[in-house]
Amino acid sequence: QSVLTQPPSVSGAPGQRVTISCTGRNSNIGGGYDVHWYQQLPGTAPKLLIYANSNRPSGVPDRFSGSKSGTSASLAITGLQAEDEADYYCQSYDSSLSGPLFGGGTKLTVL
Amino acid sequence: QVQLQESGPGLVKPSETLSLTCAVSGYSIRSAYYWGWIRQPPGKGLEWIGSIYHSGSTYYNPSLKSRVTMSVDTSKYQFSLNLSSVTAADTAVYYCARSKPVGWYFDYWGLGTLVTVSS
Repeated sequence: QSVLTQPPSVSGAPGQRVTISCTGRNSNIGGGYDVHWYQQLPGTAPKLLIYANSNRPSGVPDRFSGSKSGTSASLAITGLQAEDEADYYCQSYDSSLSGPLFGGGTKLTVL
Repeated sequence: QVQLQESGPGLVKPSETLSLTCAVSGYSIRSAYYWGWIRQPPGKGLEWIGSIYHSGSTYYNPSLKSRVTMSVDTSKYQFSLNLSSVTAADTAVYYCARSKPVGWYFDYWGLGTLVTVSS
């Protein structure tokens, strides 16, 4: 079981706003380490969506945003679209692992 | 454009060693990035296996450390993963990816290769 806890699933209708939470510990998020988010479309490799808590790589729509506070982080998706249906993973550095740690993943369903 | 491509056997017998190679193109493997391996068992989440720097410095997931060896060949622009004594639990899609030393986020990924452990 991952020490970065995400809800197994979230859903929303087209056009709506959804958020995905990622809860960690003092050895990772709470220790001041950055949180990153990935989108994994069915049958494809993960794609970097948000890095360093709130930064979007070039080409990622501004409908996607990230935030971090304390031992948690959140990914928000506004103006939900059918193409956003995917698995989303948070990731941080963990000092106990001495390396990167992924959350368990959240499946987003667009109703 | 950075591109990574995994290669290796798709089927490995139990107790044997899984060996994969990742070819890097479009960017120097000697640059200030880590080159890593991540795996994903069917229907499950992502697990970091380990990362290597072009100097050969390695960082392994403690849960796999006793079975993992990574190496880099800068002249061939590739890095490799060996995972020994495999079992069915090692069946997964294996991805290679590039990560920043600061922040440890993976900005470029290979397409992934499915490795099945079965006799």
